[in-house]
Amino acid sequence: KQEVTQIPAALSVPEGENLVLNCSFTDSAIYNLQWFRQDPGKGLTSLLLIQSSQREQTSGRLNASLDKSSGRSTLYIAASQPGDSATYLCAAGGSNYKLTFGKGTLLTVNP
Amino acid sequence: ETGVTQTPRHLVMGMTNKKSLKCEQHLGHNAMYWYKQSAKKPLELMFVYSLEERVENNSVPSRFSPECPNSSHLFLHLHTLQPEDSALYLCASSQARGTVQRRKLFFGSGTQLSVL
Repeated sequence: KQEVTQIPAALSVPEGENLVLNCSFTDSAIYNLQWFRQDPGKGLTSLLLIQSSQREQTSGRLNASLDKSSGRSTLYIAASQPGDSATYLCAAGGSNYKLTFGKGTLLTVNP
Repeated sequence: ETGVTQTPRHLVMGMTNKKSLKCEQHLGHNAMYWYKQSAKKPLELMFVYSLEERVENNSVPSRFSPECPNSSHLFLHLHTLQPEDSALYLCASSQARGTVQRRKLFFGSGTQLSVL
């Protein structure tokens, strides 16, 4: 059974700092690894999807990497802004529509 | 506007009530999902419909009953719920065909359910 762990559970940084969020998964037989953002009381917004054959994906200030063999993914946020404050979730995509989520990292960027 | 709309946004119900959650997607997708998000727990997949056929049912209690009348609409019928069923219920959609590796999910804003 796939298990996804995110570290740290919470992170508070000053504005402008570069930061890294970590995600690990126990079963390397994944189809993709997805990163989402969730604002309080809201649904999830897809940020990046890395296919199993890829090593990384970039969108603006966000860069996500995937190392299937070690069961790890990282989300790098450059030059953080207060608007980046949210919960970031990673999810490992398996067969039969299964997407296994971690508990998330609560990010606070202070002005 | 995410393209996936859920109603109602908030719902309070007693344990003997019957209610339904509604989800509608305007993205041309043909797979729809129900997820449950409880405090301090990861999102849990409840049901998946692909091409209007249920393809996933994650040992969900029978007091939750999904319905997918067409590829754009998904319902979750609720009956005699328990207080521990209080959670945020999220609907999502994706393409069913094509490469699994590229299957990206699009979520609605959720229904915050409180069972008294």
